[in-house]
Amino acid sequence: DVKVTQSSRYLVKRTGEKVFLECVQDMDHENMFWYRQDPGLGLRLIYFSYDVKMKEKGDIPEGYSVSREKKERFSLILESASTNQTSMYLCASSSPPGPNTEAFFGQGTRLTVV
Amino acid sequence: DQQVKQNSPSLSVQEGRISILNCDYTNSMFDYFLWYKKYPAEGPTFLISISSIKDKNEDGRFTVFLNKSAKHLSLHIVPSQPGDSAVYFCAASRGSGNTGKLIFGQGTTLQVKP
Repeated sequence: DVKVTQSSRYLVKRTGEKVFLECVQDMDHENMFWYRQDPGLGLRLIYFSYDVKMKEKGDIPEGYSVSREKKERFSLILESASTNQTSMYLCASSSPPGPNTEAFFGQGTRLTVV
Repeated sequence: DQQVKQNSPSLSVQEGRISILNCDYTNSMFDYFLWYKKYPAEGPTFLISISSIKDKNEDGRFTVFLNKSAKHLSLHIVPSQPGDSAVYFCAASRGSGNTGKLIFGQGTTLQVKP
């Protein structure tokens, strides 16, 4: 059974804190992604990684950074949390592109910045 | 620039009737399309996909139609069941040079009434 696991379901952090969101996948996938979901905006890509230590910016990378030191783990870092980063954060992984490439998602982390 | 658009934020149908969810895209380079279903406080789960070489794909109660000339796809659910009530996201990816990155629409909230 494929699995993408996010370290926390719910987080409450203070403005200015450094926040780490962790994601682990057990499918040996090359690609990993971080999205955020906001009402009316759908899922927006923050960063993705296509290999260990390799990363690319998505559509909304400002205020975020990522780390991928091992193939199975992809971390999202909020350098200095702000209230506009209150959101649902979703991690996903996928195999290299092919006819049936699909992304598998974790359960999500609901982050509230106060 | 929203490359994948779901213009209907919500849809309500009666149990047993057909649900039709629509999605438009602007990038003609997209060649693989997916539908995901999301319940509150859970990550999206893959539902059905279609390659651009096809115009229809069916899986049980779910059928996806692709109209490449109109850059439009739709998801049909027949018959609709109360358990289908969720947010549905369409997503697209690009084959050539594709890193497996998925671009999502804004989502449509489906409510199936008993």
